[in-house]
Amino acid sequence: AQSVTQLDSHVSVSEGTPVLLRCNYSSSYSPSLFWYVQHPNKGLQLLLKYTSAATLVKGINGFEAEFKKSETSFHLTKPSAHMSDAAEYFCVVRSRYSTLTFGKGTMLLVSP
Amino acid sequence: SQTIHQWPATLVQPVGSPLSLECTVEGTSNPNLYWYRQAAGRGLQLLFYSVGIGQISSEVPQNLSASRPQDRQFILSSKKLLLSDSGFYLCAWRSGGLNSPLHFGNGTRLTVT
Repeated sequence: AQSVTQLDSHVSVSEGTPVLLRCNYSSSYSPSLFWYVQHPNKGLQLLLKYTSAATLVKGINGFEAEFKKSETSFHLTKPSAHMSDAAEYFCVVRSRYSTLTFGKGTMLLVSP
Repeated sequence: SQTIHQWPATLVQPVGSPLSLECTVEGTSNPNLYWYRQAAGRGLQLLFYSVGIGQISSEVPQNLSASRPQDRQFILSSKKLLLSDSGFYLCAWRSGGLNSPLHFGNGTRLTVT
């Protein structure tokens, strides 16, 4: 079985400060991991994915995530938040059988 | 390039009425297609997926059904809506192997009154 835990339901930052959205996973096999972003009443957009290549993955809009097998984590970071980053973020794990498991989401709030 | 269209964007329906949400994909052939539902605070729940025309797998027993009449068309239906069917419905597609990501439509906000 696999599971995803997003450790914070809400994260608040000021514009220009770093962003950290935490995700822990469990999987019986080497997983593929993804981060998606969802703006209000919109579909989900892929930010980045990890598929057993480099452990530090760079995505769109300046986001990146590091796969740490020893910690079973895949935290999403960005050096400097922008107002347009305010959205809900989902961590997703996919098993070898292609079953997707979504985290419950983290709402990122960015204040000026 | 590939695009996914999902409509309508918003829908308000009374309890007991039928439902039909449509999703089409362009620019790819034989995609895997998915319907997800997103309820507040619960993340995404996979409802149905399809690996080909007429092939539908249901993940959760419910009041809904899905059909795939054409390669790039995926329809979500209900004969009689329940209040609990309210939510945000997302269509998604994937092709290119096990490591390819999902691509989502813009979603339909369904409110059952």
